[in-house]
Amino acid sequence: GAGVSQSPSNKVTEKGKDVELRCDPISGHTALYWYRQSLGQGLEFLIYFQGNSAPDKSGLPSDRFSAERTGGSVSTLTIQRTQQEDSAVYLCASLGQDNQPQHFGDGTRLSIL
Amino acid sequence: GNSVTQMEGPVTLSEEAFLTINCTYTATGYPSLFWYVQYPGEGLQLLLKATKADDKGSNKGFEATYRKETTSFHLEKGSVQVSDSAVYFCALRGDSWGKLQFGAGTQVVVTP
Repeated sequence: GAGVSQSPSNKVTEKGKDVELRCDPISGHTALYWYRQSLGQGLEFLIYFQGNSAPDKSGLPSDRFSAERTGGSVSTLTIQRTQQEDSAVYLCASLGQDNQPQHFGDGTRLSIL
Repeated sequence: GNSVTQMEGPVTLSEEAFLTINCTYTATGYPSLFWYVQYPGEGLQLLLKATKADDKGSNKGFEATYRKETTSFHLEKGSVQVSDSAVYFCALRGDSWGKLQFGAGTQVVVTP
């Protein structure tokens, strides 16, 4: 497709379960970013990929959070042993050229019961 | 570190009123500045951007000027419409591939 695609759009799971969130960036975009949008914290950066490498993972809140990117394309954000404070909208963005704006997907709304 | 401060909302306006949302930033070097908009139930969309001092970004009747002397990037629109009701985010990027640093967001409600 033409834009950044994220799946699922909504995810409800029980506390303690693991979840995987997927991001399919715009074709040809080498940079990929994960952000989290929550009521208390606003929009926070999580991790940045350039190709398959993550030069900046400074925003990952704990070791329960991890992300990978394969083939320089699709990325997966994994949250292990989910907690209620993980409830948020997880946004993915991609970027094809420096000094251009990031393009965002519609996000995955994660709810932890 | 870099940071962005924007005025708190909600801001409630009547249609055709003038809108200003203040945004100031703290950064080293020469960041790029952005305004993103999030309409109800939708994702983040780029509204406008400016990459160097004195640049003016504009789109859909909105404008913002990158003021390095006051470290500001205030968003303005001369005559708002109901369809402009949304949350507006000011953001900063310290280097060309870097992460975005967002303000807290300002909800704007335009009534008929």
